Amino acid sequence: GAGVSQSPSNKVTEKGKDVELRCDPISGHTALYWYRQSLGQGLEFLIYFQGNSAPDKSGLPSDRFSAERTGGSVSTLTIQRTQQEDSAVYLCASSFSGTDLETQYFGPGTRLLVL
Amino acid sequence: AQSVSQHNHHVILSEAASLELGCNYSYGGTVNLFWYVQYPGQHLQLLLKYFSGDPLVKGIKGFEAEFIKSKFSFNLRKPSVQWSDTAEYFCAVNTGYGQNFVFGPGTRLSVLP
Repeated sequence: GAGVSQSPSNKVTEKGKDVELRCDPISGHTALYWYRQSLGQGLEFLIYFQGNSAPDKSGLPSDRFSAERTGGSVSTLTIQRTQQEDSAVYLCASSFSGTDLETQYFGPGTRLLVL
Repeated sequence: AQSVSQHNHHVILSEAASLELGCNYSYGGTVNLFWYVQYPGQHLQLLLKYFSGDPLVKGIKGFEAEFIKSKFSFNLRKPSVQWSDTAEYFCAVNTGYGQNFVFGPGTRLSVLP
């Protein structure tokens, strides 16, 4: 595709429910990042995938958060038993190979609201 | 771990005013530096980046930034802002893979017509 896409664009859920957020990176990009952007905050790193390597999960805030990347392309971020503090915009970005010299290309984000 | 600070939370300017947004980072080694911009309702996109060489880098839309290693700073400048520059600006520092790409909290710029 032309850019990084994310779905859904908006998600409203009830506290305690599970949610899945999807990211389609730019075709050919091997590196994929998930970030969380809370109101008035910067981007909080969540998880990083690079090719077939084990992901860097060091940013995941709790064990309720998990992510997969199937076939080195599409990624799904899952939040189990959602809490109100999970409300935020979840951003996905991809880059060609994930080196520190590269630009990340961002998707439009998924705005999650937990009631 | 490295961190990034941005001096101003919200900056309000009139059109044609000059702009300087501060960015400081804490990391003693080699860094790659970025400014990203998020226009209302749009994706985050790259404004400019510094990897090596001339510490004064020019980006899109007339923006430039200067890397001052001794001050651990990478301030963003534009000599004359336009209403269309209204956006949120994020400074970022990359010292490696994954979690080592760190964003600042952002500065919201409002340009009054």
